[in-house]
Amino acid sequence: SQQGEEDPQALSIQEGENATMNCSYKTSINNLQWYRQNSGRGLVHLILIRSNEREKHSGRLRVTLDTSKKSSSLLITASRAADTASYFCAPLIYYGGSQGNLIFGKGTKLSVKP
Amino acid sequence: KAGVTQTPRYLIKTRGQQVTLSCSPISGHRSVSWYQQTPGQGLQFLFEYFSETQRNKGNFPGRFSGRQFSNSRSEMNVSTLELGDSALYLCASRLLDRDNEQFFGPGTRLTVL
Repeated sequence: SQQGEEDPQALSIQEGENATMNCSYKTSINNLQWYRQNSGRGLVHLILIRSNEREKHSGRLRVTLDTSKKSSSLLITASRAADTASYFCAPLIYYGGSQGNLIFGKGTKLSVKP
Repeated sequence: KAGVTQTPRYLIKTRGQQVTLSCSPISGHRSVSWYQQTPGQGLQFLFEYFSETQRNKGNFPGRFSGRQFSNSRSEMNVSTLELGDSALYLCASRLLDRDNEQFFGPGTRLTVL
């Protein structure tokens, strides 16, 4: 089963509004990463938050992590049409020693209308 | 630095055929992972290679295989293609550090008719 599960599956907002996407996972993690994918293209790394961090900012992005609830959220402030994309969370799950894998969910499809 | 490159970008095959996809990682990255992305299943991990050895494998049938060369370039092969193999195949490379940030290529869009 998918480890990183995003919610909602789809989100439609107007330019200038904030967009919030949530992610839940099932096991202990080392870090959690968020990626963006423009239609049919490769994924681009946005931001990483480590398990001992609670909040992180990068430009218009704000990520929170609650390890007790096994959840994370990504907030995009003052959204732009160019933010239209699918957003994926990817918890880093260790499967042995120091080796780990990113487990992606199905993503949240964000549409920002001009 | 050049990014991750994948060839070909688009491919059309028929059922029963086999296909080989290629991935060149970012210079200095020795780990290459492959993912299959479909609308129904999302992004699923196929396998990861490091130093020409498969480190980890996802839950895919044996028709899906891969290899890595000494220059870190990787290929994946799918034999006896099925309609359900139609997907975007993404390759990602990374440094082996604790953060495990992946750098993705643009993908190969495979259509099986």
